[in-house]
Amino acid sequence: NAGVMQNPRHLVRRRGQEARLRCSPMKGHSHVYWYRQLPEEGLKFMVYLQKENIIDESGMPKERFSAEFPKEGPSILRIQQVVRGDSAAYFCASSLGTGEYGSYTFGSGTRLTVV
Amino acid sequence: KQEVTQIPAALSVPEGENLVLNCSFTDSAIYNLQWFRQDPGKGLTSLLLIQSSQREQTSGRLNASLDKSSGRSTLYIAASQPGDSATYLCAVKVLTGGGNKLTFGTGTQLKVEL
Repeated sequence: NAGVMQNPRHLVRRRGQEARLRCSPMKGHSHVYWYRQLPEEGLKFMVYLQKENIIDESGMPKERFSAEFPKEGPSILRIQQVVRGDSAAYFCASSLGTGEYGSYTFGSGTRLTVV
Repeated sequence: KQEVTQIPAALSVPEGENLVLNCSFTDSAIYNLQWFRQDPGKGLTSLLLIQSSQREQTSGRLNASLDKSSGRSTLYIAASQPGDSATYLCAVKVLTGGGNKLTFGTGTQLKVEL
């Protein structure tokens, strides 16, 4: 059981480039969540996805950010035209179910640095 | 809007001491509460999950309690060790129209000294 796998671990992008962050959930988990941790701040919810569906994207910035969780393959968080304020640690989590019995398992995160 | 507060923000104790970390939340309509540990530059490790119908959970030297009606949880660490040094985060799973998500506190940074 490899847990939640995120790659890359570290990503450096110049302003204006695109960043693609990948997350493979734990085996058997069909619920994926993305969180962002800005420097000196707590983790903030971004988006919740199930296979091929976005369930809740209330925490996603309205522009430049998008997420998907295709039928096959990992979940992708995509940031277009990155700016310095996007520099943060991005964490993915997965769960087997929802409700009070759904425990989250987090990945090790992708640390994005925009230069 | 759910808000989660953790007190203290930082704590430094000598090895062997028993300690309590506090977490409070403003909306009692939660599914569960989860305590995590985060080491510098690393991801989150789940420590304990308390369902809304439960009062406490124990794992080794850790004990977490939940008082949903008052919006409080405590994490008790017995006989602290230098390896316990990390940031401890509590998070509540909230009911939303779009599903469920965790709302995190800002954490307690713990340092256990030799």
